[in-house]
Formats: sequence, structure tokens, C-alpha cells
Amino acid sequence: AQSVAQPEDQVNVAEGNPLTVKCTYSVSGNPYLFWYVQYPNRGLQFLLKYITGDNLVKGSYGFEAEFNKSQTSFHLKKPSALVSDSALYFCAVSPRPMDSNYQLIWGAGTKLIIKP
Amino acid sequence: DTEVTQTPKHLVMGMTNKKSLKCEQHMGHRAMYWYKQKAKKPPELMFVYSYEKLSINESVPSRFSPECPNSSLLNLHLHALQPEDSALYLCASSPRLAGDTQYFGPGTRLTVL
Repeated sequence: AQSVAQPEDQVNVAEGNPLTVKCTYSVSGNPYLFWYVQYPNRGLQFLLKYITGDNLVKGSYGFEAEFNKSQTSFHLKKPSALVSDSALYFCAVSPRPMDSNYQLIWGAGTKLIIKP
Repeated sequence: DTEVTQTPKHLVMGMTNKKSLKCEQHMGHRAMYWYKQKAKKPPELMFVYSYEKLSINESVPSRFSPECPNSSLLNLHLHALQPEDSALYLCASSPRLAGDTQYFGPGTRLTVL
């Protein structure tokens, strides 16, 4: 079965330190990869996506993600964390071919807590 | 402008009530989605519309009835809901179905008494 794993329920980082939120996937082919963020009592906001090309994808709010095909991973990173980055982060994968299966497969989510 | 709007923000209803959730986007997107999200869980896909036609119905109970009046609007009609239907209902849209980024609205927080 196709799946997306976010191995950490919660990640704690001190403000100013680099952060990493991990995502691995088990999806056939070359899927599209996404990161979304959800602040309390809000909808999901798109951060970034990987389709093809450069393995380092830059997104909103200073976030970036590194795609590693051999490890089937798509880890979210930020060089210097802010308290305002505290939120719930979801990794999602869209299998190909798109016409027959375009639904997003979601990870369970990782709560990121940035401490002052 | 990547904005999807949803009304109302909050809704409390009894199990015998009929209510509707509304979603609107003016980005020219041709795919629209309804998701259900429980607290701290990923969203669960309910319905997908593509070019105003229902494309996916994820075995959702008939007490939820979607409607897509035009390419900008998406409704979710609710009737005879159960307390376990209480959740955040999210609407999303994307330019097309084929792997495009989905943009989400802020959601409607539904409480069924």
C-alpha cells in the first residue's frame, strides 16, 4: 500500500536554531511531493512542492525541502527557526500518473514547537 | 490571489437540522474538493469536483450532499448529522486535478449536538 510517514509526532527546536521535519514515502514511480502548514484553528497553507529538477526546493516563509530519491525522503528544513513557525506540518504525496490517481496521500503530521 | 473563502466559520447544529457549508474561489480553478479533518489529524478527502462534475465520492454517507453550482462555488449540504461528524470541514481548489497544488480555505468548524 502507498503511504507517507512522518516519524516524529513532535519536534522541539530552540529559536534561532536550524529545524528539520522528516518525511519519507512509499509511492511507486516519481510522485509529486508537497508540504503544508496548519496554524491553530486555521486551514492548511501550501509551503512548497517538488515535481522534478533540483533536489532542493525553496518555499514560503524561508522554508526549503530536500528531495532524496534513493531514500524516498522529502525533509522540510529552515536554517533559523522562529517562534511563529510553531504549527502542525503535513507532508503529502500525489502519485503519478495523474489522470488515474490524483489524490493526495497525507502523512500523519508533525507538531513543531519553537521555544524562545 | 490564492484565496479560498468558506462560510460560515463556525456552525453548531442539532441532529435534525439541515444546513449548508459554502466555499468560493475566484482563481479560475477547475477542481474543487471537500475534506473532513479531525483535530491534529490529516484531512480526509470526501468529494472532488472537476469541471463542475462530481469526480470522486469517497464513500461518504448520504447525509452529506455536495453541490457545485458553477466553477467558482462549492456547497456541502448537511442533513441528519451525527455527533461524530463534528470536525473541521475544509474546502480546497486547484487549477486542474493532475497533480496541481491544492489551495485550502480556512475551514468551517462544525459541531453536531
